[in-house]
This record gives sequence, C-alpha cells and structure tokens, in this order.
Amino acid sequence: AIQLTQSPSSLSASVGDRVTITCRTSQGISRALAWYQVKPGKPPKFLIYDASSLESGVPPRFSGSGTGTDFTLTISSLQPEDFATYYCQQFYSYPLQPTFGGGTKVEL
Amino acid sequence: VQLLESGGGLIQPGGSLRLSCAVSTQHFSGYAMTWVRQAPGKGLEWVSGINPSGESTYYADSVRGRFTISRDNSKNTLSLQMNNLRVEDTAVYYCAKVYAGSGLDYWGQGTLVTVSS
Repeated sequence: AIQLTQSPSSLSASVGDRVTITCRTSQGISRALAWYQVKPGKPPKFLIYDASSLESGVPPRFSGSGTGTDFTLTISSLQPEDFATYYCQQFYSYPLQPTFGGGTKVEL
Repeated sequence: VQLLESGGGLIQPGGSLRLSCAVSTQHFSGYAMTWVRQAPGKGLEWVSGINPSGESTYYADSVRGRFTISRDNSKNTLSLQMNNLRVEDTAVYYCAKVYAGSGLDYWGQGTLVTVSS
C-alpha cells in the first residue's frame, strides 16, 4: 500500500498566521490527493481533491498544491474555526486501499 | 445527501457486529461508497469500499477475511458485517460517499464500536 507521511504531526499557530502542512507519499501519485479537516466528535470535512481543487463551500483561504510525491495544504490566514486536525488521503490506488496520512494537529 | 450509521455497540473479542448506513439520496445506486474508521486518539483508517453496483468490493489488509461490505440499492443502504472482532477494531466507524474517485465528500456522523471483554 502507498504510505503517506504528514509533517509536522502538530503545530502551534495564532489567528491570522499562514499555515502549511506537508504530505509526502511513498510513490508518485500524480495529483490524486485529497485533504480533510477533522474536529473532535465530528465527521471529517472534505476540503480539497485532485491536490488543488477546492470543494464547494470551502473558504478560499484553504489551498492545496503539489504533484508526484510532495503535496501541501496551506491556510493563508488561520481563523479560530480552523483549529483542527488535517489529513491527506491518496486516491491513486483507488479503489484499492486509498490510504490516509497520519494527521497534523493545528493548535493554538 | 445525508448518511446515518447504526449498529455500533459493545462486543466481546471474537464476536460479530453488523453496521448499517442509511443514505438519503435519489442517486445512491450511482455512488461508490466506503467505510472509514478512527480509533480513540488515532488517525483515520480506510476500511472497505464498494462500487455502485455492489459487484466489486475492496478491503484494508487489517480487516480482509473478517469484514464484508455490501449494499442494497433498493433500500439505499450500505452495510459492514464484522466478524471475529479484535480489541484493535475499537473505533468510530464512518460511512462515506466517494466523489468521482477523488475524495470522500459526504460522511455520516459515525457509530462507535467497542471490542472489549
């Protein structure tokens, strides 16, 4: 299975900060990467697909980039509601084992 | 699209449980679906997937041979039969809809499965 490594595993930031999260895959996946936001007790929220396409209704302060093995999720100006854990997921091997990264917790 | 899981609970190791996911949409038979779980304090783990017709199914290595995914398109229902449950299967289980083979765009609220003696 394709392995996804997110970094950092956690970060501390303040409202208004620019935040960048990295997801590295164990093999090239073209642009077949999605990002999710997870808050405690809530289901994941779909943010980005195909590495950089913003899901409908997601604020434009969220953006994604990358291709091959290296991807980033950027929050241009962190808002209070953005404190959460973020996960990447590869769809290159879909429908076989579309694996998730380990998550990055964004804390105040 | 709304998804609602049910069937979770406390079960002893080695036991069986069947999860269901009721999907409110007119187009259920056109969607691939998945199950994803999150163990307490851990990350997301893809568990199983099924194509729109139900003819093709897929499993994570950790559950293959023990879990069976199925769907009833006439009832807009997705199921996960879990046999020979282990302590490490303890998690919140989510059903989710696949968007164009590119992401999981709709999720249920989750159902908690606790495997413990």
